Amino acid sequence: GENVEQHPSTLSVQEGDSAVIKCTYSDSASNYFPWYKQELGKRPQLIIDIRSNVGEKKDQRIAVTLNKTAKHFSLHITETQPEDSAVYFCAAGHASGGSYIPTFGRGTSLIVHP
Amino acid sequence: DTAVSQTPKYLVTQMGNDKSIKCEQNLGHDTMYWYKQDSKKFLKIMFSYNNKELIINETVPNRFSPKSPDKAHLNLHINSLELGDSAVYFCASSQGPGEQPQHFGDGTRLSIL
Repeated sequence: GENVEQHPSTLSVQEGDSAVIKCTYSDSASNYFPWYKQELGKRPQLIIDIRSNVGEKKDQRIAVTLNKTAKHFSLHITETQPEDSAVYFCAAGHASGGSYIPTFGRGTSLIVHP
Repeated sequence: DTAVSQTPKYLVTQMGNDKSIKCEQNLGHDTMYWYKQDSKKFLKIMFSYNNKELIINETVPNRFSPKSPDKAHLNLHINSLELGDSAVYFCASSQGPGEQPQHFGDGTRLSIL
């Protein structure tokens, strides 16, 4: 099965700095990589996703890059703000028999200091 | 207008009891999921239904029985609750069963005494 490693487990930055969270996956068949943000006591919310036919995707201050050869993908947040503080999860997987089964990383707790 | 809603939000009960969690989505999606998030925040898929049919069952104990009366609803019944069942259970939905963005509910925090 798929195995997803996520680093770092905790990331502390100053407001305005950039933050980078990295994930590696083991199954070369994985083709869909979503990122979720979960604020304390709330539900995970999709913030950006990337498919294996794309190397990079950007949405305002958030970008994701994918290196299929090395089997790793990263989340980049620029000009961080205190409201970016949350736990971020990466996930990887592919549809098997028509069903997509995501494997999640263990999460990164991002703390943005004002 | 909540897209994926689940009830109850909190559930405190004793070991050995049977309990149910309900989930409804108003997004018109075909596929629904149950996830378990443990005390270390690890998120793991349990089940998925597509158009009322079970398509994913990730080696969950058979004390857990999902039921989908229609594609907008997916309920989770748990028999003989154990201490290790304490977690937050999230319902989610997606447009289809493939590689699609998933929308999560607010979670049900289950605490076993």
